[in-house]
Amino acid sequence: GQQVMQIPQYQHVQEGEDFTTYCNSSTTLSNIQWYKQRPGGHPVFLIQLVKSGEVKKQKRLTFQFGEAKKNSSLHITATQTTDVGTYFCAGPAGGTSYGKLTFGQGTILTVHP
Amino acid sequence: DAGVIQSPRHEVTEMGQEVTLRCKPISGHNSLFWYRQTMMRGLELLIYFNNNVPIDDSGMPEDRFSAKMPNASFSTLKIQPSEPRDSAVYFCASSPPGTGGSPLHFGNGTRLTVT
Repeated sequence: GQQVMQIPQYQHVQEGEDFTTYCNSSTTLSNIQWYKQRPGGHPVFLIQLVKSGEVKKQKRLTFQFGEAKKNSSLHITATQTTDVGTYFCAGPAGGTSYGKLTFGQGTILTVHP
Repeated sequence: DAGVIQSPRHEVTEMGQEVTLRCKPISGHNSLFWYRQTMMRGLELLIYFNNNVPIDDSGMPEDRFSAKMPNASFSTLKIQPSEPRDSAVYFCASSPPGTGGSPLHFGNGTRLTVT
């Protein structure tokens, strides 16, 4: 079945450093979604990418969707302590999935002040 | 909109007891998902419903787990009997109509501890 892999599993940075997490799917995706989960919280939708090669920005966050629509990345510029949490990518399961998503295992980001 | 509402927020129970988790999806959303999250296994999809009908329950770990969605505004996940290895955070999520393109809205989760 479809697999979505994320690397790295953990990332520790000093406040002000940049951070990148990478997501790879075993199958071509119609779209990819990114979620953030704060410690003790629940996953919250950040963004969806649909087009091949698409790049979207949200303030210090930059999201990219690969040309082959099988990989994606999230880059945070100049991290802040508020960026702490787990970042998940997720892709549709394919077929008639009624919104079913396959989640990556997430990247846990720690930001040291 | 109040978002997806789950209850209880925390549940502590003894092994062998029945546990029922509850979820109210966002009004107008027609897909509902139950996820389990642990450090070891991450976010696992247990079961999901579309228009109140169970579509895929292949993620349900065993017969001790069951889920129902009697109407568009309510779903339950039941574990009977519970075991310590069921300890996890259980999330309910809903999404609006769409085939694979709609973001999921998660509830705050139920933290289950089975002793």
